[in-house]
Amino acid sequence: GQNIDQPTEMTATEGAIVQINCTYQTSGFNGLFWYQQHAGEAPTFLSYNVLDGLEEKGRFSSFLSRSKGYSYLLLKELQMKDSASYLCAVMDSNYQLIWGAGTKLIIKP
Amino acid sequence: NAGVTQTPKFRVLKTGQSMTLLCAQDMNHEYMYWYRQDPGMGLRLIHYSVGEGTTAKGEVPDGYNVSRLKKQNFLLGLESAAPSQTSVYFCATTPKASGANVLTFGAGSRLTVL
Repeated sequence: GQNIDQPTEMTATEGAIVQINCTYQTSGFNGLFWYQQHAGEAPTFLSYNVLDGLEEKGRFSSFLSRSKGYSYLLLKELQMKDSASYLCAVMDSNYQLIWGAGTKLIIKP
Repeated sequence: NAGVTQTPKFRVLKTGQSMTLLCAQDMNHEYMYWYRQDPGMGLRLIHYSVGEGTTAKGEVPDGYNVSRLKKQNFLLGLESAAPSQTSVYFCATTPKASGANVLTFGAGSRLTVL
């Protein structure tokens, strides 16, 4: 079967760096997405990786290793507004998105 | 420019009642999706549409029906609601289904079935 694994919850301190990991097993691969979802709101797009390596976008970076079925989202200079759930999703060979359950990130002052 | 609009935002139903959720988009996107989100689980695809007049089943289609009579609207129907259908429902759209296309989500509809 297809599976996406990510930690359920993480806690970090304001101003620090946190890395959220995502491992996947899917039927084919057409890209990996990270979305941010604040409580009670809709998911919003953060990043897309289809080739191995690091994609940097401001305070957020996303890394992909296709051979290892692994990605991480790196958040730097954490702010209180970064408290949210972070969803990892992989697009399979049929261009269907397989979603992880999300990682709830709690930022403490 | 509203993007993706879902109505209603909240609804409480009794078991056996029927209802329809409406998703409207003004982005001229071809693809539209209905997902449900439950605690501790990833988003699960209920039904989707690749264009006006077409629909297809997703991962969890049982108990739901959909219609896409107009390109901008995608309706999700529950004919006989069950407590297991208590969930948050999200509509989403993309221009097409190629890899790099990003989903645009509606704000969600919280449904409780008693």
